[in-house]
Amino acid sequence: AQSVTQPDIHITVSEGASLELRCNYSYGATPYLFWYVQSPGQGLQLLLKYFSGDTLVQGIKGFEAEFKRSQSSFNLRKPSVHWSDAAEYFCAVFGGNKLVFGAGTILRVKS
Amino acid sequence: GAVVSQHPSWVICKSGTSVKIECRSLDFQATTMFWYRQFPKQSLMLMATSNEGSKATYEQGVEKDKFLINHASLTLSTLTVTSAHPEDSSFYICSASGGSYNEQFFGPGTRLTVL
Repeated sequence: AQSVTQPDIHITVSEGASLELRCNYSYGATPYLFWYVQSPGQGLQLLLKYFSGDTLVQGIKGFEAEFKRSQSSFNLRKPSVHWSDAAEYFCAVFGGNKLVFGAGTILRVKS
Repeated sequence: GAVVSQHPSWVICKSGTSVKIECRSLDFQATTMFWYRQFPKQSLMLMATSNEGSKATYEQGVEKDKFLINHASLTLSTLTVTSAHPEDSSFYICSASGGSYNEQFFGPGTRLTVL
């Protein structure tokens, strides 16, 4: 069965600093990978997704993610974080007709 | 486009009562809807998948008699938590897909508190 690991429960960065959120997945076939963002008490918003092709994927709000098959990773990056990026971020893999989510990483932004 | 709504956004009920949560796709036809549950500070766990006009498929460990799912139309699915107990308190999120299961649009969630 597929699984997703997000090793960092919390991350704090200063506004304007770069950000990288880690995601490792386990899946036997070529994965479909996603990053979602959830603000407090809200549903999930899709940031970006990888199905195939270019391993560097651009998303909304200035986010990007890189698929590295050799490392089973799909890390999310942003070159300069804004205070409004503070939220919880979920990595997910699609397989077996369902989405499986990681435990999430809470991002705090210091001013 | 691809907007999914949920109603209510929050509900408080007494133990033993039943609660119905609605999930609507506002601008597309949702052939499949999914129901997730999220405990505080935890990830989303898929509870069930429902296709319009068919019985829902429940994930292992989810009581289908407790969590009744109806997907009677292409724009509406309902989750009824029957005889709710405090341990059912959670954040329930639905998603909808117009075709591929891997393209899901999420609702804003419903916070259920059972006293």
